[in-house]
Amino acid sequence: DIQMTQSPSSLSASVGDRATITCRASQSITGYLNWYQQKPGKAPNLLIYATSSLQNGVPSRFSGSGSGTDFTLTISSLQPEDFATYYCQQSYSSPPTFGQGTRLEIK
Amino acid sequence: QEQLEESGGGLVKPGGSLRLSCEASGFVFGDYYLSWIRQAPGKGLEWISYISTSSTFTSYADSVKGRFTISRDNVKKSLYLQMDNLRAEDTAVYYCARPHSSVRFMEWLTWGQGTLVTVSS
Repeated sequence: DIQMTQSPSSLSASVGDRATITCRASQSITGYLNWYQQKPGKAPNLLIYATSSLQNGVPSRFSGSGSGTDFTLTISSLQPEDFATYYCQQSYSSPPTFGQGTRLEIK
Repeated sequence: QEQLEESGGGLVKPGGSLRLSCEASGFVFGDYYLSWIRQAPGKGLEWISYISTSSTFTSYADSVKGRFTISRDNVKKSLYLQMDNLRAEDTAVYYCARPHSSVRFMEWLTWGQGTLVTVSS
């Protein structure tokens, strides 16, 4: 199975800050990397698929980049509604696997 | 509006069984692979199973293989998860999920609200 490792595990930031979360795969997944946002008590929400394709309705302050084994989610200017937990997930091969999550907290 | 709604969760003793259901609306149910994904309390997300459009192909995580069975009824627009020989470590919120495209079936756009399964004596 492909292991997905996110860093940091938690991140404290202020409204207006730029936030960056990284995700590393244990082997190349080419561009099959997806990002989800999850708020407490809610189902995950797909933000970005295929490394950098923004899902419809997701604000443009979210962006993704990377290839191979190293990927990044960037939020250009944090808004109050962005404080949540973020997961990366590979869809390159079965079984699909998730990173452990990054909790983004308000400073 | 695309929707998924799970049901069937609850409290069950170790070794017991439970059947989860997921009813879909707002999209062509038979066009998509469907998955079950779970989340233990305070933990991350774990994919556990998917099923192809016509039920020809199924796949399971090692953690549930041989104990859980996924199925679907395209006429009833419903997805199921039969869970047998349950263990304490199966305690989680179980989500059904639909991918954002009929081709890239391991990228999930639509999720249900989740149903909690608690395995405890």
